[in-house]
Amino acid sequence: DLQMTQSPPSLSASVGDRVTIFCRASQSISEHLNWYQQTSGKAPKLLIYDASTLQSGVPSRFSGSGSGTDFSLTISSLQLEDFATYYCQQSYISPYTFGQGTKLEIK
Amino acid sequence: EVQLVESGGGVVQPGGSLRLSCAASGFTFGDYTMHWVRQTPGKGLEWISLITSDGDSSFYADSVKGRCITSRDNSRNSLFLNIDSLRTEDTALYYCVKDREPRYTDYEFDSWGQGTLVIVSS
Repeated sequence: DLQMTQSPPSLSASVGDRVTIFCRASQSISEHLNWYQQTSGKAPKLLIYDASTLQSGVPSRFSGSGSGTDFSLTISSLQLEDFATYYCQQSYISPYTFGQGTKLEIK
Repeated sequence: EVQLVESGGGVVQPGGSLRLSCAASGFTFGDYTMHWVRQTPGKGLEWISLITSDGDSSFYADSVKGRCITSRDNSRNSLFLNIDSLRTEDTALYYCVKDREPRYTDYEFDSWGQGTLVIVSS
């Protein structure tokens, strides 16, 4: 199976900070990479698809980039509601695997 | 507003069977590929199956292949997952998930239910 590795596993930051989360695929997936946000006790929410396209309704402080094997998710100015766990997921080949998650915590 | 409501989870003994259901509303159900994704604290998020919009094709992860059947009833806006020969490692929160694009499968999961918990234990 294609492996998705996220870094860091956890991250502490403050409101207003700019943060970047990384995701690496074990083989090239072109731009078939999606990002999800999961807050405590809730289902994941699609933030970005095709590596850099913002899902409808998602604030513009979220952005994604990358292609091939290396990808990133950036939040330009953290808000309180952004403290959550973030997952990447490849939509290139079955099984459609997820990263292990990056937990973003308040410093 | 898209709503996906799962049901059917519970406690089942190893080797047992379960049928999960998902009631969909707020979109044209018959236009979308649907998926099941499960989540555990240890293994994280795991895609396990999909069924195309017309119900003609379904695909499974190796971890459940041969033990799971995904089906749908477009007339009742419902999705189902039958799991046989349950193992302790099937213990998870099972989500019903909608594909993003209509009439096409892009494996991008844009709407999720709240999940139904399956516990496999003797």
